[in-house]
Amino acid sequence: KAGVTQTPRYLIKTRGQQVTLSCSPISGHRSVSWYQQTPGQGLQFLFEYFSETQRNKGNFPGRFSGRQFSNSRSEMNVSTLELGDSALYLCASSLTSGGDITYEQYFGPGTRLTVT
Amino acid sequence: AQSVTQPDIHITVSEGASLELRCNYSYGATPYLFWYVQSPGQGLQLLLKYFSGDTLVQGIKGFEAEFKRSQSSFNLRKPSVHWSDAAEYFCAVAPSNSGGSNYKLTFGKGTLLTVNP
Repeated sequence: KAGVTQTPRYLIKTRGQQVTLSCSPISGHRSVSWYQQTPGQGLQFLFEYFSETQRNKGNFPGRFSGRQFSNSRSEMNVSTLELGDSALYLCASSLTSGGDITYEQYFGPGTRLTVT
Repeated sequence: AQSVTQPDIHITVSEGASLELRCNYSYGATPYLFWYVQSPGQGLQLLLKYFSGDTLVQGIKGFEAEFKRSQSSFNLRKPSVHWSDAAEYFCAVAPSNSGGSNYKLTFGKGTLLTVNP
């Protein structure tokens, strides 16, 4: 079974621009979560989607948004990029049962975003 | 709010030596507990998990971890380290009583493991 895939793997953007990152979960996984990883703050939870609905959200500004499609694929968008948004963005998928996450999260390789 | 502390930022061991990475958590009830490993430029790979039951859990690559409720700890161990184990290790917790309504992983800051030949 294929793992979690993320595209693109690397991205360079300029301050003020916006960016969209994509995540395809493991087949059959309906929950998708996003995390930001930086040297200073470590791994921080952004949001989680299930059945095209955002269920959980971390402490990030509204510039960070996401969505999930009917095939469980997910995208996250960051608008008005700032230098501090430079990070590795990780996507993770989980099995669910009746909407409850019953298994651990499987991570993709991440998208390395550099903002200049 | 739940939190995870990994007291050791960087640990260096010799190949063949034993390893213990520390993890302490703060949470009102027993959470779900995880250890992940991240190699440079890669995503996170799950080493092992504790949901309930036997407090000594076995994982992949010869790793094990022991849950100690009284100490709020979930330390990772390996009896003999290989050079390929050099990586960054993250302890994480998730609430065990929320189902899908409040599920997220809270990570420690990580411990970087260096293995000397």
